[in-house]
Amino acid sequence: GEDVEQSLFLSVREGDSSVINCTYTDSSSTYLYWYKQEPGAGLQLLTYIFSNMDMKQDQRLTVLLNKKDKHLSLRIADTQTGDSAIYFCAESPLGGKLIFGQGTELSVKP
Amino acid sequence: EAGVAQSPRYKIIEKRQSVAFWCNPISGHATLYWYQQILGQGPKLLIQFQNNGVVDDSQLPKDRFSAERLKGVDSTLKIQPAKLEDSAVYLCASSPPGREVGTGELFFGEGSRLTVL
Repeated sequence: GEDVEQSLFLSVREGDSSVINCTYTDSSSTYLYWYKQEPGAGLQLLTYIFSNMDMKQDQRLTVLLNKKDKHLSLRIADTQTGDSAIYFCAESPLGGKLIFGQGTELSVKP
Repeated sequence: EAGVAQSPRYKIIEKRQSVAFWCNPISGHATLYWYQQILGQGPKLLIQFQNNGVVDDSQLPKDRFSAERLKGVDSTLKIQPAKLEDSAVYLCASSPPGREVGTGELFFGEGSRLTVL
């Protein structure tokens, strides 16, 4: 089946690293995604990783993929108050649609 | 480049009334999606169009929800009659042709927030 699970909340202090975790079920997903949603806004693609990669780094963002355990994580280095948002993990089973997790609300305290 | 446009941004109706949402995808994007996002949950796919044909509507409550994409561009999503549990944000997204070859990114609109009283 298709299911994506995330923890619901994460609170960090400004300047610390944030790690948001996700588990997924569909091993056919070619890409896995992290989307960011700010209050009252739609979803914006933050980063993605190809399924044959273990890690992808993009400035302050590091994505780790453990395909064997179907575990995906997003690390945000030097977290800022502007990073406060809801972060969604998504898998992409065959057919083009994305299946989203329930979202992790990141709260960054000054 | 203009993004995905949706209207209205907000709608309040009473149960059993009807409502319609409109979406204009990014120019040239062949695939259009409607997602329902209930407060505190992730977006759930309602329907996926490829040009003007339906690819996936398995999660669409067809007794009350309908969607169309005439001419393969704009799309409308209708709810009739609305129930309290339909209160949600309705997100429209689009993706370019050849999505399976590219990164698969979906581009989202800002959403239409529906409150059913």
